[in-house]
Amino acid sequence: EAQVTQNPRYLITVTGKKLTVTCSQNMNHEYMSWYRQDPGLGLRQIYYSMNVEVTDKGDVPEGYKVSRKEKRNFPLILESPSPNQTSLYFCASSTENSNQPQHFGDGTRLSIL
Amino acid sequence: GENVEQHPSTLSVQEGDSAVIKCTYSDSASNYFPWYKQELGKGPQLIIDIRSNVGEKKDQRIAVTLNKTAKHFSLHITETQPEDSAVYFCAASTWTGTALIFGKGTTLSVSS
Repeated sequence: EAQVTQNPRYLITVTGKKLTVTCSQNMNHEYMSWYRQDPGLGLRQIYYSMNVEVTDKGDVPEGYKVSRKEKRNFPLILESPSPNQTSLYFCASSTENSNQPQHFGDGTRLSIL
Repeated sequence: GENVEQHPSTLSVQEGDSAVIKCTYSDSASNYFPWYKQELGKGPQLIIDIRSNVGEKKDQRIAVTLNKTAKHFSLHITETQPEDSAVYFCAASTWTGTALIFGKGTTLSVSS
């Protein structure tokens, strides 16, 4: 089954404790991206990757890092999480870029205390 | 950069009625406009999309229209059913193909 898998689905942690949210897709997609969803703000792009070893900032990259060492994986790293990063996070992938249908994971709800 | 506005933010209809959600975008270079449905606890799921060389597209009870001149596009759902209740997002892809810019969402409630 074609899918985007995110882990963990839920996480409660404390300020400053480094965490990684994993994202993996099994569709051989080149394009992957991370979004955060906040009430009343819709989805906003954090980072994207056009291919292996090619990543770039989206609209709200502050406090986040990503890497794309393999085509299937695109982890989101919070080096020193802060309460304003409490949010619902989605990973998405598509064949080539944002002009194609995006496949989304089921989300990761992060609470930073 | 691109900006997408979506209206209304909430919409309540009776089962069997039609529902219309409208979006406007700012960048005339954008050429791909998808609509996503998000159910509770799930990620957004594509329900229909349209490209700038097409004015209208239908898929059973769902249709999307695009007016490039006015820079707006709309989602039409006919014969609504309770299972249509969800949050709907419109989006526009940047001309660079690097990002989808989303509207803020419409919560659709269909009562039986």
